[in-house]
Amino acid sequence: NAGVTQTPKFQVLKTGQSMTLQCAQDMNHNSMYWYRQDPGMGLRLIYYSASEGTTDKGEVPNGYNVSRLNKREFSLRLESAAPSQTSVYFCASSDPGRGNQPQHFGDGTRLSIL
Amino acid sequence: GDSVTQMEGPVTLSEEAFLTINCTYTATGYPSLFWYVQYPGEGLQLLLKATKADDKGSNKGFEATYRKETTSFHLEKGSVQVSDSAVYFCALTIQGAQKLVFGQGTRLTINP
Repeated sequence: NAGVTQTPKFQVLKTGQSMTLQCAQDMNHNSMYWYRQDPGMGLRLIYYSASEGTTDKGEVPNGYNVSRLNKREFSLRLESAAPSQTSVYFCASSDPGRGNQPQHFGDGTRLSIL
Repeated sequence: GDSVTQMEGPVTLSEEAFLTINCTYTATGYPSLFWYVQYPGEGLQLLLKATKADDKGSNKGFEATYRKETTSFHLEKGSVQVSDSAVYFCALTIQGAQKLVFGQGTRLTINP
């Protein structure tokens, strides 16, 4: 029962470095999401993918790019990391076509930008 | 736009105390409502949900009732345990929409 798997779990970057966060789900869900979690702000949606081959901006997309590689995998890329992107990043997946089904979350990637 | 407002935290209680975490929402359509829980170092897990007015979601002794008249979905538990210490998030999604809208989270600490 892997569910949603994120890699890496922790990462420290220097300002200006690039990095790709990986996410994979094994529940055959159509939709996948990337959130960031900052203290006192809950989770904010960065990008989402309603289905394979489509991506859309969320609430805070600036400084990020995404790729929906196939139905299972949805990656998040920071091209030039900035200290403001220090956060915990969560990937999630769901199957909205089956009604208001809940999203399933990975355990997160804790990213620090120095 | 759609939004969720949660009770400010942190909340600290003694074991076996009664818990209420308030949640109110604003939505343009007919939302489904969720409570998620995040234990230290982990991702979010669905705790309970309600998809229409007057529905009651329940799980692990927690309950929440979808109140359309007061646009609320307050989380309650009659007797909390130390293991309930976590951050709790109220969230909504609109039928057919892709996005969850989260409240800011409420950190709960239960002391033995």
